[in-house]
Amino acid sequence: ILNVEQSPQSLHVQEGDSTNFTCSFPSSNFYALHWYRWETAKSPEALFVMTLNGDEKKKGRISATLNTKEGYSYLYIKGSQPEDSATYLCAFYTTSGTYKYIFGTGTRLKVLA
Amino acid sequence: DGGITQSPKYLFRKEGQNVTLSCEQNLNHDAMYWYRQDPGQGLRLIYYSQIVNDFQKGDIAEGYSVSREKKESFPLTVTSAQKNPTAFYLCASQFGRQPQHFGDGTRLSIL
Repeated sequence: ILNVEQSPQSLHVQEGDSTNFTCSFPSSNFYALHWYRWETAKSPEALFVMTLNGDEKKKGRISATLNTKEGYSYLYIKGSQPEDSATYLCAFYTTSGTYKYIFGTGTRLKVLA
Repeated sequence: DGGITQSPKYLFRKEGQNVTLSCEQNLNHDAMYWYRQDPGQGLRLIYYSQIVNDFQKGDIAEGYSVSREKKESFPLTVTSAQKNPTAFYLCASQFGRQPQHFGDGTRLSIL
């Protein structure tokens, strides 16, 4: 069974703080890593598609990096705002096995005004 | 506007009753998925279908059934064999190796 771990499970930060969290995945048979943002009372929405080792993607104050050799991706939020409060999910797309798309457990972020 | 429609938004089940959650997509995606979310937990895969007339069990398929007779539709039935059905259910579709698109979910409770 493939394991995709996210840490921390949850965190609270003050408005204006920068923060980051981690998605760990198997370092072999990598095809892609996807990041999603899941706001309360809404459905998850894709943030980033990451496919190459060393990829860096940015969307406003949110950015992500990818290290496929060691099996991790970081998501950074610069100057957190209350509207960034959400659960951030990563999903690992593998080239092996019957079922290839595995979600991480998520990181719940709460930004305090 | 292309998307995924789940209905109903809220559903109540009586003991011993089967209930069906609807999921329809007009994105022309081949693959469709059902997930369950419990409070404080992540997404757990119930069933998935990569093509019409074919579907596979996910991690927690017991007590659930699905059908995929049309590309657009992937209904989930929560049977009376599912002893703890209270949860939030999400349907998703996917094209190739792109991110999944999700519906707005159905919240199922026991009466």
